Amino acid sequence: NAGVTQTPKFRVLKTGQSMTLLCAQDMNHEYMYWYRQDPGMGLRLIHYSVGEGTTAKGEVPDGYNVSRLKKQNFLLGLESAAPSQTSVYFCASQKGGDGTEAFFGQGTRLTVV
Amino acid sequence: AQRVTQPEKLLSVFKGAPVELKCNYSYSGSPELFWYVQYSRQRLQLLLRHISRESIKGFTADLNKGETSFHLKKPFAQEEDSAMYYCALITSGSRLTFGEGTQLTVNP
Repeated sequence: NAGVTQTPKFRVLKTGQSMTLLCAQDMNHEYMYWYRQDPGMGLRLIHYSVGEGTTAKGEVPDGYNVSRLKKQNFLLGLESAAPSQTSVYFCASQKGGDGTEAFFGQGTRLTVV
Repeated sequence: AQRVTQPEKLLSVFKGAPVELKCNYSYSGSPELFWYVQYSRQRLQLLLRHISRESIKGFTADLNKGETSFHLKKPFAQEEDSAMYYCALITSGSRLTFGEGTQLTVNP
């Protein structure tokens, strides 16, 4: 049982390049989230999805896009990377919008130079 | 808007001492509250949730609706408790919102 898997684990981008981060979960969860973790700022929600085909903006959505074409996958895209997007990105999934546990991926460390 | 505040970014205690990690929230309805923990080189994981009223690894947390707080407590800290702790809140509409985190260091 893999749980939540993020791809890739590390990446270095040049300013202006694009990339997609993939999050895959095998628990048949409805809810999926993308967060970024920065020192002193905790986990900030970028985008989230409450089901296949749906997405919604979080606290810091600018510069990112997402898609949830399949229930098990939640993709985070950076169209034109900026140094301010250097961060550790975490994906999470949750069975439903209630008090159930959220499961996290191992994180993706992205550096934009 | 919902918000979670953890006023202490860093907290350092000695082994065997009591520890309290503070969490305050703002939300007009009835939230579900959690504590998540991230040990070094590991992914975030759930520590406890207020609805289950459980004690995990000696930690407890009580929801105080009057003070809008959900502080995490442990009477005797252990070195293996050193980690980053996040308080989180979820509401109907399902945005799982985290605080800024508190880095706990338990010194020998």
